[in-house]
Amino acid sequence: DGGITQSPKYLFRKEGQNVTLSCEQNLNHDAMYWYRQDPGQGLRLIYYSQIVNDFQKGDIAEGYSVSREKKESFPLTVTSAQKNPTAFYLCASSIDRETGNTGELFFGEGSRLTVL
Amino acid sequence: AQTVTQSQPEMSVQEAETVTLSCTYDTSESNYYLFWYKQPPSRQMILVIRQEAYKQQNATENRFSVNFQKAAKSFSLKISDSQLGDTAMYFCAFMLAPHNNNDMRFGAGTRLTVKP
Repeated sequence: DGGITQSPKYLFRKEGQNVTLSCEQNLNHDAMYWYRQDPGQGLRLIYYSQIVNDFQKGDIAEGYSVSREKKESFPLTVTSAQKNPTAFYLCASSIDRETGNTGELFFGEGSRLTVL
Repeated sequence: AQTVTQSQPEMSVQEAETVTLSCTYDTSESNYYLFWYKQPPSRQMILVIRQEAYKQQNATENRFSVNFQKAAKSFSLKISDSQLGDTAMYFCAFMLAPHNNNDMRFGAGTRLTVKP
């Protein structure tokens, strides 16, 4: 079955530590995204990548970093510079616009990060 | 900037009854797309229904339908014959055309509980 896999599902981190969240997709989608979900605030875009080796900042990129070395993978690092990292993180992908993007995002199951 | 507002943080409905979730948005553009996404507890977020602003006919997907009022900038979701599996967070989302997923805007969500 094609889909998006996020790991770990739950993660605990001490203050001052960096942590990396994994996102892998086998949908052959060009574009991938990272969202942060907080109660009462909906989803906010952290970073996105439309092609391998290229990525752009979203609305709340400060304190986060990403890489896109392979089409299938888009890991997110939450650095110690992120002031309020406790949140639910969602990875998503979409079909490239030129090949029939209907606007639909395909999501992983999410990773819940708690900073102790 | 486009904004999406969901004014009902929580709602509940009896099984087999009908419920309507509200969504309003703000934009000065005329060509855009609207979406309802469903996020079940501990499961992936999935697309429920999609509406293109240039289409006057309201979208329908089985028990899910929308009431799209372009002039009022309103996009409500009606769930008929509610089932226990409809229990989830529901997010309204907006995206300008042509498709550009990195500009998708989400509302804060409505938590729907279907009661037996």
